[in-house]
Amino acid sequence: AQSVTQLDSQVPVFEEAPVELRCNYSSSVSVYLFWYVQYPNQGLQLLLKYLSGSTLVKGINGFEAEFNKSQTSFHLRKPSVHISDTAEYFCAVSTEGYSTLTFGKGTMLLVSP
Amino acid sequence: GAVVSQHPSWVICKSGTSVKIECRSLDFQATTMFWYRQFPKQSLMLMATSNEGSKATYEQGVEKDKFLINHASLTLSTLTVTSAHPEDSSFYICSFRAPSEAKNIQYFGAGTRLSVL
Repeated sequence: AQSVTQLDSQVPVFEEAPVELRCNYSSSVSVYLFWYVQYPNQGLQLLLKYLSGSTLVKGINGFEAEFNKSQTSFHLRKPSVHISDTAEYFCAVSTEGYSTLTFGKGTMLLVSP
Repeated sequence: GAVVSQHPSWVICKSGTSVKIECRSLDFQATTMFWYRQFPKQSLMLMATSNEGSKATYEQGVEKDKFLINHASLTLSTLTVTSAHPEDSSFYICSFRAPSEAKNIQYFGAGTRLSVL
């Protein structure tokens, strides 16, 4: 079985500052990794995904993430955040085949002026 | 990305009544879909997985007689919360996986907030 750990439940940051949201996973087999964003009272929107190939993946809204197999991490980064980036961010993992997604507990990104 | 419509977005009901939530994929046909439950400030917990034309597979601890799932077609799934009680109040989210998405990319609805009085 796989698991996901998001160490930070909340990350406060000032507008235009860089941010990194941490995600570590555990799995005995190859994984697919995802970051989703959830705005208040809304469903989840896919930000980016790692399926194979290049370990640096770029997503929507200027976000990117790097898959690090040796450290079993998939941290999300953005060089300059906006107020509108304030939301809950979920890291998720699945494995080969039609397996289900396992989500982390989420990190609330709070961007202030 | 794909569009998933979930309805209603918010429902308030009296204890003991049943509530039906609809989830539709608008631009693709999905053989597999998922229902999740999310408590405030917590992550999504998978409730059940359903395949079109088959009975849903429920996660451990989820009462199948309370949470009825019907995946009647490749574009529509419903979740009915029967005899709802205040402890069923939560945010329910559906997602679809398109047949070609072998790498488990899921597309989510906007969610339904259920408040049971």
